[in-house]
Amino acid sequence: EAQVTQNPRYLITVTGKKLTVTCSQNMNHEYMSWYRQDPGLGLRQIYYSMNVEVTDKGDVPEGYKVSRKEKRNFPLILESPSPNQTSLYFCASSSSPPGTEAFFGQGTRLTVV
Amino acid sequence: QQQVKQSPQSLIVQKGGISIINCAYENTAFDYFPWYQQFPGKGPALLIAIRPDVSEKKEGRFTISFNKSAKQFSLHIMDSQPGDSATYFCAAHDHSGGGADGLTFGKGTHLIIQP
Repeated sequence: EAQVTQNPRYLITVTGKKLTVTCSQNMNHEYMSWYRQDPGLGLRQIYYSMNVEVTDKGDVPEGYKVSRKEKRNFPLILESPSPNQTSLYFCASSSSPPGTEAFFGQGTRLTVV
Repeated sequence: QQQVKQSPQSLIVQKGGISIINCAYENTAFDYFPWYQQFPGKGPALLIAIRPDVSEKKEGRFTISFNKSAKQFSLHIMDSQPGDSATYFCAAHDHSGGGADGLTFGKGTHLIIQP
């Protein structure tokens, strides 16, 4: 079954404690992205990757890092989380060319206290 | 700044009625217009999409109407059912823009279908 898998689904952490949200896709897609979803703001792209070792900033990259060492994995790293990063996070992948269907993971609800 | 403006923010429709959600854009480089449906606790999933060379696309009860000159597109849900209650996002793809998937999303519409 084609899917994008995120872990964990729920996470409560304290300010400043580094965390990683994992994302893996089994569709051999070149393109992967991270979004955050906040009430009234919709989906905003954090970072994206066009292929292995190729990443770039999206619209709201501050406070986040990513890496793409393997085609299937695209982890999101918060090195020093702050309360304003409390949000619902989605990983997405899509195939070449861009503009075709984007497949989203189930989401990770992060609370930073 | 690339933007897709979506309205209304929330919508309540009686069962059997027509749900209409509208989106407008400014960037003429947009070349693909998908709609995503999101149920609580789930990620968004592609519902239906259109390219600007056609004015309408229908899939079952779901129809996209596209007006290139007005730079507007809309989602119509005919015979709306309680199972259609979800958040709907319009999006637009810019083949010259940034982002792996090149998608710019609207802010979403929370649709409730009352039995």
